[in-house]
Amino acid sequence: AQSVSQHNHHVILSEAASLELGCNYSYGGTVNLFWYVQYPGQHLQLLLKYFSGDPLVKGIKGFEAEFIKSKFSFNLRKPSVQWSDTAEYFCAVNWNNAGNMLTFGGGTRLMVKP
Amino acid sequence: SQTIHQWPATLVQPVGSPLSLECTVEGTSNPNLYWYRQAAGRGLQLLFYSVGIGQISSEVPQNLSASRPQDRQFILSSKKLLLSDSGFYLCAWSRRSEQFFGPGTRLTVL
Repeated sequence: AQSVSQHNHHVILSEAASLELGCNYSYGGTVNLFWYVQYPGQHLQLLLKYFSGDPLVKGIKGFEAEFIKSKFSFNLRKPSVQWSDTAEYFCAVNWNNAGNMLTFGGGTRLMVKP
Repeated sequence: SQTIHQWPATLVQPVGSPLSLECTVEGTSNPNLYWYRQAAGRGLQLLFYSVGIGQISSEVPQNLSASRPQDRQFILSSKKLLLSDSGFYLCAWSRRSEQFFGPGTRLTVL
């Protein structure tokens, strides 16, 4: 079965620290890749997505992610986090042979200390 | 623009009672619709999806069922709730493979 792994379940950072959250997925052909964020008390919302083209994707709020096909990875990064980035982050993968279905990773809870 | 509604926002139900959670989408037609359950530390688990009226696919065998009586309405039901049904239930619709989520329903089964 196709799977998505987020290895960091909980991350605690101080403001201005750099962030990298890992996301790996199993082989299954061509993929579309997503990072979603859930701020406390809010809807799950899209941070960024990759369908094709430049493997370095820019998203909202200064986030970016890099698709490395050879490593089956789509890690999320931000050079300098803010307290307002405290949230839960989910990586999701759509394999092109699975219609519009998304498979989510287990999520990473990020706490940014002021 | 498209919007997605879920109700109720929170629900506390006794074990063995029935359940009905509703999701409606506005601003789009014939969307693919999804029900997920989000449990703490376990990410999002896809429960059901639907590509059209009356068409339901189940991803995980369980105590729940889903129905799609109208194009933009998706209902999650149970005849008898279990303690293990507690969780946060999210409805979503998709455009291509990008999914858009509703505000969710927090269900507590006591």
